[in-house]
Amino acid sequence: GNSVTQMEGPVTLSEEAFLTINCTYTATGYPSLFWYVQYPGEGLQLLLKATKADDKGSNKGFEATYRKETTSFHLEKGSVQVSDSAVYFCALSDRPGGFKTIFGAGTRLFVKA
Amino acid sequence: EAGVTQFPSHSVIEKGQTVTLRCDPISGHDNLYWYRRVMGKEIKFLLHFVKESKQDESGMPNNRFLAERTGGTYSTLKVQPAELEDSGVYFCASGYSTTGELFFGEGSRLTVL
Repeated sequence: GNSVTQMEGPVTLSEEAFLTINCTYTATGYPSLFWYVQYPGEGLQLLLKATKADDKGSNKGFEATYRKETTSFHLEKGSVQVSDSAVYFCALSDRPGGFKTIFGAGTRLFVKA
Repeated sequence: EAGVTQFPSHSVIEKGQTVTLRCDPISGHDNLYWYRRVMGKEIKFLLHFVKESKQDESGMPNNRFLAERTGGTYSTLKVQPAELEDSGVYFCASGYSTTGELFFGEGSRLTVL
């Protein structure tokens, strides 16, 4: 079945450091890929998405490229801020058959000032 | 526009008791989903409503869980009787059928003692 694997956390970085959170997936067909973020005390919110191979999703300085050949969707940011401290979830949504989104285990990011 | 709202935000009950969680989706969203995150692990799909109909309930753990969606609006998830392993955060999400993007509530944390 479909699955998502992402790097375990927590990840601790200093402000302005480069961030990479690895995500790989297993899916039949051509899923859409997402990164969701959960800030402390809030619900999950969509950070970025990509719907086909080689698409790059970007938002708030974060980027991820849909790599079909390596079945990956790694999240990157060139310079993290303290406000980026959160839990990041990689996810896929397969269609047809509905929009049952499958999530990874989440990676907690701590950014120190 | 109001987001997805969930109630209660936190519930503490004893094993064997009943708890009912409620979710109010974003107005106009036909798709409503329940997810659960246990002990910092991945967010797991429970079930999917399209309007008032259960589209997919393959993720429901067992028959102690009952979900309803009255008139295609709000949804409830009842756990009866609750067991220790039911503890976790229950997320509700809603979305349109064309984009696959989910809009999440803040979650209901359930603690079973």
